[in-house]
Amino acid sequence: QVQLVESGGGVVQPGRSLRLSCAASGFTFSSYAMHWVRQAPGKGLECVAVISYDGGNKYYADSVKGRFTISRDNSKNTLYLQMKSLRAEDTALYYCAQDPSRFGERGYFAYWGQGARVTVSS
Amino acid sequence: DIQLTQSPSSLSASVGDRVTITCRASGTISTYLNWYQHQPGNAPKLLIYDASTLQSGVASRFSGSGSGTDFTLTISSLQPEDFATYYCQQTDSTLGTFGQGTKVEIK
Repeated sequence: QVQLVESGGGVVQPGRSLRLSCAASGFTFSSYAMHWVRQAPGKGLECVAVISYDGGNKYYADSVKGRFTISRDNSKNTLYLQMKSLRAEDTALYYCAQDPSRFGERGYFAYWGQGARVTVSS
Repeated sequence: DIQLTQSPSSLSASVGDRVTITCRASGTISTYLNWYQHQPGNAPKLLIYDASTLQSGVASRFSGSGSGTDFTLTISSLQPEDFATYYCQQTDSTLGTFGQGTKVEIK
């Protein structure tokens, strides 16, 4: 069965960096686009970034563009989110999610991880 | 950017009730509209994709309809496990956006 397991969350000071990982299993990871979706406390869901099956195409929400980098290592079946210059408003539960298409054009998510909590606070 | 507005923001209903949630897009999105159920402590669950296609394994009491700018999620007979927050999501554009959510509570 499909499993997505996030790690790397924690408490970090404003302006610092953090890297999230998402370990995938139960499917051919290298065939699917992957997304990061976040939910701030008491708020709704926000798509943060998407990466194509081969890592060649990446898109970011305006709120994180220039600060976050999505990447993947298909040899390790792992998705990453490098977060720099973190702000208080980046505090959220970060989910990785599988897209059913190669380039992310379908954009809906049947499979999600359980989330990694990121708290940005001094 | 396409904005999604869900209504109502919350509702109280009883087990067995028919529940309808609407989602209105700020521009036309064909049928690129999906619905999720989110319960505290769990990851969101995909219910409906492409406006009306029931995701595999989802109970048949859930249904979706609509196209263009107006969409509806219907629960034909509310069950105890259905109390949750429901989100619509548009995927007409890369990095689809979500509605603000509709919380379904027990009356």
